[in-house]
Amino acid sequence: QKEVEQDPGPLSVPEGAIVSLNCTYSNSAFQYFMWYRQYSRKGPELLMYTYSSGNKEDGRFTAQVDKSSKYISLFIRDSQPSDSATYLCAMSAGLHGQNFVFGPGTRLSVLP
Amino acid sequence: DTEVTQTPKHLVMGMTNKKSLKCEQHMGHRAMYWYKQKAKKPPELMFVYSYEKLSINESVPSRFSPECPNSSLLNLHLHALQPEDSALYLCASSQEGQAQTGYTFGSGTRLTVV
Repeated sequence: QKEVEQDPGPLSVPEGAIVSLNCTYSNSAFQYFMWYRQYSRKGPELLMYTYSSGNKEDGRFTAQVDKSSKYISLFIRDSQPSDSATYLCAMSAGLHGQNFVFGPGTRLSVLP
Repeated sequence: DTEVTQTPKHLVMGMTNKKSLKCEQHMGHRAMYWYKQKAKKPPELMFVYSYEKLSINESVPSRFSPECPNSSLLNLHLHALQPEDSALYLCASSQEGQAQTGYTFGSGTRLTVV
């Protein structure tokens, strides 16, 4: 079993749809959870981070963490064509970047 | 300045060439990283520098040689690479011990080895 699993997609949705992206993990020591967005031929950019369980909202984006199920989600409301990218989850047991584990990424296409 | 700048953006090199990738940040970050990313795969950690000292080398072949001349610069020296080393090479930086909030990637160098 991989340490972090993520459906690679591609996921295609119409503009305005609510998008749900998910990751599951096996290491119960993870307590920092991040979502990165990566456009084609660019480096990943940090979208959201959450510590431990709970929800966090930032504009059209909501991150949820359920540590009991070892499951995290990113919701995108009112999706736009500009949201078309690969979304990578990342998680860590500690505060040091060298401990990050990235999921394989989900490719999202939002169709106009 | 909230960017990590990588040069060159594209590089094609032969298997006998020597080249260097450069990375620069002026955010005062004291942790800097090199990642390798193959197509449709997540980034894989190669090296970590903390306060200009190499702290982690993730079993990377010696044909990749990192260097951190100062707190703002990170280089990756390449020599005798193989075609399978073709990938997107990403530099990142963060405040030491605050990586979950301030981890910034550059746009990468797309390397092709012929």
